[in-house]
Amino acid sequence: GAGVSQSPRYKVAKRGQDVALRCDPISGHVSLFWYQQALGQGPEFLTYFQNEAQLDKSGLPSDRFFAERPEGSVSTLKIQRTQQEDSAVYLCASSFVRRGDEQYFGPGTRLTVT
Amino acid sequence: DAKTTQPNSMESNEEEPVHLPCNHSTISGTDYIHWYRQLPSQGPEYVIHGLTSNVNNRMASLAIAEDRKSSTLILHRATLRDAAVYYCILRDVDYGQNFVFGPGTRLSVLP
Repeated sequence: GAGVSQSPRYKVAKRGQDVALRCDPISGHVSLFWYQQALGQGPEFLTYFQNEAQLDKSGLPSDRFFAERPEGSVSTLKIQRTQQEDSAVYLCASSFVRRGDEQYFGPGTRLTVT
Repeated sequence: DAKTTQPNSMESNEEEPVHLPCNHSTISGTDYIHWYRQLPSQGPEYVIHGLTSNVNNRMASLAIAEDRKSSTLILHRATLRDAAVYYCILRDVDYGQNFVFGPGTRLSVLP
């Protein structure tokens, strides 16, 4: 079956532009996660949804970052007024709702802010 | 989530077994040990996880020390495709949904 997909795969933005990154989770997966991965480092948690409810947004680095999942399926991570330090790979993962279940990751969106 | 310690990098020859160590001396009784790996230009992928007993699946084996303060991921026969960053992560079964990744171990496989 289809895995987690993300689009675009690559995005170049000029500093100050707004960007929107999309995640299509595996059908039926209730939980959805966003992670940020800087070059040479492990992924860092940004935010977590259970269905349409955003239950944890403790990892969002600033109020310029906003995520939504209005119908409990597709999710969008929006970054307003991008800065150079926002350059990273943004990973989306989904899983069933039971605690301890494995997470399935998408290929990520590489964002470069110039 | 409790912290894990892994070597920064390891090398292996193709078709030989690989033992990737992970120390987690502060592990709690409800922490599961998860292993994920990340191939170049891809998102992390699940490898294996366990609680107390050793685990085997088609990808690898997980050997957990009796005191649970360390574990070893075993790839029985490394292939070039196994070259990746391997992450050892603890996650409490009772709370916390997201994974806390460290820098992992970068495994190189030599032909």
